[in-house]
Amino acid sequence: DGGITQSPKYLFRKEGQNVTLSCEQNLNHDAMYWYRQDPGQGLRLIYYSQIVNDFQKGDIAEGYSVSREKKESFPLTVTSAQKNPTAFYLCASLQGLGMNTEAFFGQGTRLTVV
Amino acid sequence: QKEVEQNSGPLSVPEGAIASLNCTYSDRVSQSFFWYRQYSGKSPELIMSIYSNGDKEDGRFTAQLNKASQYVSLLIRDSQPSDSATYLCAVRGYKLVFGAGTILRVKS
Repeated sequence: DGGITQSPKYLFRKEGQNVTLSCEQNLNHDAMYWYRQDPGQGLRLIYYSQIVNDFQKGDIAEGYSVSREKKESFPLTVTSAQKNPTAFYLCASLQGLGMNTEAFFGQGTRLTVV
Repeated sequence: QKEVEQNSGPLSVPEGAIASLNCTYSDRVSQSFFWYRQYSGKSPELIMSIYSNGDKEDGRFTAQLNKASQYVSLLIRDSQPSDSATYLCAVRGYKLVFGAGTILRVKS
């Protein structure tokens, strides 16, 4: 079945530690996105990629990094520079610019600082 | 000005009534518009997509788009308690941007 998979579902990070969240899709989508959601809030854009080997900062990129070496994969690293990383992280994918298609989400990763 | 704006609610409607959710956006070159439903602790699920001016109906849901007014809405007919959730408006121009969401409560 085609879809988008995020892992792990739950992740615990110690202070000063870098962690990487996985996002994989087999929908052959060009564009992939990372969002952060805090309790009672909407989705804020962290990074997005319209095509392989290219990505752009969103509204809250500080303290995060990404790579897009393969079309199927768009991992997000939460670095120690992100001072308040506890949140629900969502990855989405959709077809490239100029194409009218919907965005589909993974199941999310809930990150907690311990 | 926020790129996508929604009334945060909560919007309360009785069971069987019509719920009307609204969204405005700022980027005039936006081409794709979506409504997602999100239950607490879950990822958003797509309800409707709309790409051209006018109405689009799917079951109990109708999306309406007016590009001149930069306005998109979602009507839910015969609202059910299971429709109680947060509804997210999303707009795609160069990037996909979400509103903060409107909380809908359907009272039985």
